[in-house]
Amino acid sequence: NAGVTQTPKFRVLKTGQSMTLLCAQDMNHEYMYWYRQDPGMGLRLIHYSVGEGTTAKGEVPDGYNVSRLKKQNFLLGLESAAPSQTSVYFCASSPFGSSVKNIQYFGAGTRLSVL
Amino acid sequence: GESVGLHLPTLSVQEGDNSIINCAYSNSASDYFIWYKQESGKGPQFIIDIRSNMDKRQGQRVTVLLNKTVKHLSLQIAATQPGDSAVYFCAEVSGSNYKLTFGKGTLLTVNP
Repeated sequence: NAGVTQTPKFRVLKTGQSMTLLCAQDMNHEYMYWYRQDPGMGLRLIHYSVGEGTTAKGEVPDGYNVSRLKKQNFLLGLESAAPSQTSVYFCASSPFGSSVKNIQYFGAGTRLSVL
Repeated sequence: GESVGLHLPTLSVQEGDNSIINCAYSNSASDYFIWYKQESGKGPQFIIDIRSNMDKRQGQRVTVLLNKTVKHLSLQIAATQPGDSAVYFCAEVSGSNYKLTFGKGTLLTVNP
């Protein structure tokens, strides 16, 4: 039971570098999400996707891009990393439909430091 | 505006005692509410949820109570164990079914 898998688990970047965080889910969920978690701030939604080929902005989208080329994968990209993007990033997925609940299942997180 | 808040940022209990974690919400249109548990270094884990048309829901050692009159939600953990030590988040779901609004969390510490 893999559920939601995030890679990498840790990463250190220099300001201005780029990187991509990968999220994979094996539950055939339609919806996928990227959050960031900062001390005292709880979880904030960056971007989300309601299906393959779709993406939408969340609460804090600036500085991030996403792609959902395959239903099971959701990629989060940082084109030019900034120290303000130092955070723990969580991916989540959830089923969709009137007969199911929108319970989001989370990955273990990626800890990113931007120096 | 919408908000989900927690009354107590930290809660310390003795092993075997019952724990109560509180949460206030402001959006009366929320469809249902979810409690998540987050252990150190891990992602949030679903514990229990409750629909807005219910007052109470029980799981294994956990009970969630919903008081719509005062917009208050609580999570009760019976016979708290050291393994229950974690940050607990309440979250509300409203409108379109993708949007989950999280509170900032309560740190529960269980003393042996």
